[in-house]
Amino acid sequence: EAGVTQFPSHSVIEKGQTVTLRCDPISGHDNLYWYRRVMGKEIKFLLHFVKESKQDESGMPNNRFLAERTGGTYSTLKVQPAELEDSGVYFCASSPRSRGTEAFFGQGTRLTVV
Amino acid sequence: AQSVAQPEDQVNVAEGNPLTVKCTYSVSGNPYLFWYVQYPNRGLQFLLKYITGDNLVKGSYGFEAEFNKSQTSFHLKKPSALVSDSALYFCAVRLLNTNAGKSTFGDGTTLTVKP
Repeated sequence: EAGVTQFPSHSVIEKGQTVTLRCDPISGHDNLYWYRRVMGKEIKFLLHFVKESKQDESGMPNNRFLAERTGGTYSTLKVQPAELEDSGVYFCASSPRSRGTEAFFGQGTRLTVV
Repeated sequence: AQSVAQPEDQVNVAEGNPLTVKCTYSVSGNPYLFWYVQYPNRGLQFLLKYITGDNLVKGSYGFEAEFNKSQTSFHLKKPSALVSDSALYFCAVRLLNTNAGKSTFGDGTTLTVKP
């Protein structure tokens, strides 16, 4: 069974440019989450999809970040325009519908804004 | 509110020695507790979890963790460290019966095992 996959693994962009990160969750997982780790600090929750619906986006830092999950399968996270402080590792995770489980993480996308 | 503290940024041990990576938590209710590991250029991998029951939980790669409610701790341990255990370790907590993605993570501890 394929795990959570993220693309690209690394991205270097200039300040002001746009970047789109993609996450393919484990097949059949209704729940999809985005997290990010900046400056070597803790992994922080960004938002949560249940199928195609945004369940919780309380962790999104500002309106430069837009997440979508059309059709309830893969998800994209767009940063537009990117700022220097957006640099970090963006993780995607998925979990099945039941609540007693752990989330399964992808390998992360390392974003560097220069 | 919930929080996790991993007081050590770095832990260094010699191969074959026991290792401990510390974690304390704060949550207003019964916790789920997790340990994840990130090997270089890899994603976060689940190691083990505590939900209820036996305070000592065993996980992947010979790791175990002990839930201590009075000390609100969930330290990760292994009796004999391997060089291949060198990685970044994250402790996480969430409330019982909340969604898997609502975990709060610590800052991470880098474990280095030297031959």
